[in-house]
Amino acid sequence: EVQLVESGGGLVQPGGSLRLSCAASGFTFSYYWMSWVRQAPGKGLEWVANIKKDGSEKYYVDSVKGRFTISRDNAKNSLFLQMNSLRAEDTAVYYCARDEETRNFVNWGQGTLVTVSS
Amino acid sequence: QSALTQPASVSGSPGQSITISCSGTSSDVGGYNYVSWYQQHPGKAPKVMIYEVTNRPSGISNRFSGSKSGNTASLTISGLQTEDEADYYCSSYTTTSTLGYVFGTGTKVTVL
Repeated sequence: EVQLVESGGGLVQPGGSLRLSCAASGFTFSYYWMSWVRQAPGKGLEWVANIKKDGSEKYYVDSVKGRFTISRDNAKNSLFLQMNSLRAEDTAVYYCARDEETRNFVNWGQGTLVTVSS
Repeated sequence: QSALTQPASVSGSPGQSITISCSGTSSDVGGYNYVSWYQQHPGKAPKVMIYEVTNRPSGISNRFSGSKSGNTASLTISGLQTEDEADYYCSSYTTTSTLGYVFGTGTKVTVL
């Protein structure tokens, strides 16, 4: 069974940093692109970033470029999101999701809440 | 990257059919057959209902169907049931300023 488990969320002040992790199991992690998707409280879904199977390509939504960095450790079946210079508008539940070759997300984690507030 | 445009809400009675539209551009919906639809119940992770415009994952009821014309995709739910009440989001692969995905604004489906 595919499992994705996020961790690392919490309360952080504006301008601060946070590192999210996603532990993957039940599939060969290195065979898949992976994404982060977020959802602000009461709002819609927003794709944040994705990373190629070997980590050689990374893409971001414009609003986080230069502030967030996606990375992965295939040896540890783990996905990461380093978030710097956090803003109030980054407050959201962050999901990790497996990119399918058919360009959709079948498997999602349970999400981790990031709150940016003073 | 602007979100794809969906109606804020759609409603119908049990047994009826409803259609949700998803409007994009030639750089996303119109340019690729990589439109997917997600159902999300409160407090839950999204669940894919349709992928590649018209395909249903295993286990998804055939009451759900998808289509696309130009830059607009649609999700139709036929034989509406109470458990279909949820938020629905479309998504498309996009090449607008990045190589990734864009989601729709979301539609609240209410079963009257």
